[in-house]
Amino acid sequence: EAGVTQFPSHSVIEKGQTVTLRCDPISGHDNLYWYRRVMGKEIKFLLHFVKESKQDESGMPNNRFLAERTGGTYSTLKVQPAELEDSGVYFCASSQRGWLNIQYFGAGTRLSVL
Amino acid sequence: DQQVKQNSPSLSVQEGRISILNCDYTNSMFDYFLWYKKYPAEGPTFLISISSIKDKNEDGRFTVFLNKSAKHLSLHIVPSQPGDSAVYFCAASADAGGTSYGKLTFGQGTILTVHP
Repeated sequence: EAGVTQFPSHSVIEKGQTVTLRCDPISGHDNLYWYRRVMGKEIKFLLHFVKESKQDESGMPNNRFLAERTGGTYSTLKVQPAELEDSGVYFCASSQRGWLNIQYFGAGTRLSVL
Repeated sequence: DQQVKQNSPSLSVQEGRISILNCDYTNSMFDYFLWYKKYPAEGPTFLISISSIKDKNEDGRFTVFLNKSAKHLSLHIVPSQPGDSAVYFCAASADAGGTSYGKLTFGQGTILTVHP
């Protein structure tokens, strides 16, 4: 069974440009999460989808970040326009429906904004 | 406001000995706790979890202990192996009801080095 896949693995862009990150969750997982780790600090929650609906987007930094999950399958996270402080590793995770669910993480996308 | 804290940035242990990684939390609403292991350039990998109705959970060489009154949990690895060298993250989650369902709050991580 394929795990959580993220693309690209690394993106280098200039300040003011747009970047779109993609996440393919484990097949059948209704829950999809985005997290970010900045400069070796703790991994911080961004948002949570249940199927195609946003369940919790309390961690989204500002309106330059837009997440979508079309048809309840893969998800995209767009940053527009990117700022220097957006640099970091963006992780996607997915889990099955139900409480006490284990979240399985992808390898992450390393975003460098210059 | 750091709700989950791992106060030891690093830990060095000899192969075969016990590794003890600690984690403290402040939010009394947390009732599910997980440990993840992370190698460089990879995503966090689930290790072991414990719910608040238990005080211990064991899986092979890994045991997690939960002390709810102290808001403290620890991960014991016995015996430690060089392949265990990685960053270990403690994570916590609160019960459903509001919109915090499933959201994980992580500590800063502890770098474990197991020497042969």
